[in-house]
Amino acid sequence: DTAVSQTPKYLVTQMGNDKSIKCEQNLGHDTMYWYKQDSKKFLKIMFSYNNKELIINETVPNRFSPKSPDKAHLNLHINSLELGDSAVYFCASSPRTGGNTIYFGEGSWLTVV
Amino acid sequence: AQSVAQPEDQVNVAEGNPLTVKCTYSVSGNPYLFWYVQYPNRGLQFLLKYITGDNLVKGSYGFEAEFNKSQTSFHLKKPSALVSDSALYFCAVRDLKGGNFNKFYFGSGTKLNVKP
Repeated sequence: DTAVSQTPKYLVTQMGNDKSIKCEQNLGHDTMYWYKQDSKKFLKIMFSYNNKELIINETVPNRFSPKSPDKAHLNLHINSLELGDSAVYFCASSPRTGGNTIYFGEGSWLTVV
Repeated sequence: AQSVAQPEDQVNVAEGNPLTVKCTYSVSGNPYLFWYVQYPNRGLQFLLKYITGDNLVKGSYGFEAEFNKSQTSFHLKKPSALVSDSALYFCAVRDLKGGNFNKFYFGSGTKLNVKP
């Protein structure tokens, strides 16, 4: 069973389109995240939700809108896609307590053409 | 702010030799430190963590890491490298303070190349 699953794995789309990436975790964790990995493999946090509440919102264009319908799901919607949005987007989850680990999904490879 | 640094973009080692991937940290208070591995076209996988206790932490796939408070380092080690260890390795620290409680800060990654 996949602990953190995200779909689609690969997405190629044109500039200006709107697209969504879905994420689900079956680990019972309270906290979920979206990270962006750029072409240099640098990982940057975008958003974090705890029990459906937004707790971290980094400096991300407002074209990116997360949505958490319940604590097991965190989706990412991107409006008006730009070339610079091309990256790998990772969903992740973790228990709330401090010593615990963050678990990642397999990533969604977004290419904007 | 909490941060980790990985000074080497790439580490090359021959199979069977010991390997070290370096990580230094900058935190206020006690650090919660992690190592992750990323294989091509895959997500990050947890290897090991240091929270408290013994400075030498053992993890998955024969990896271990040594927490050194005086040198603010948390280097990843393995006594005998395998070709299959070739991957991208990330050091991370978890921020435990206030509104940043759920933030994990990742280093820039080190590409490990193990040659036969």
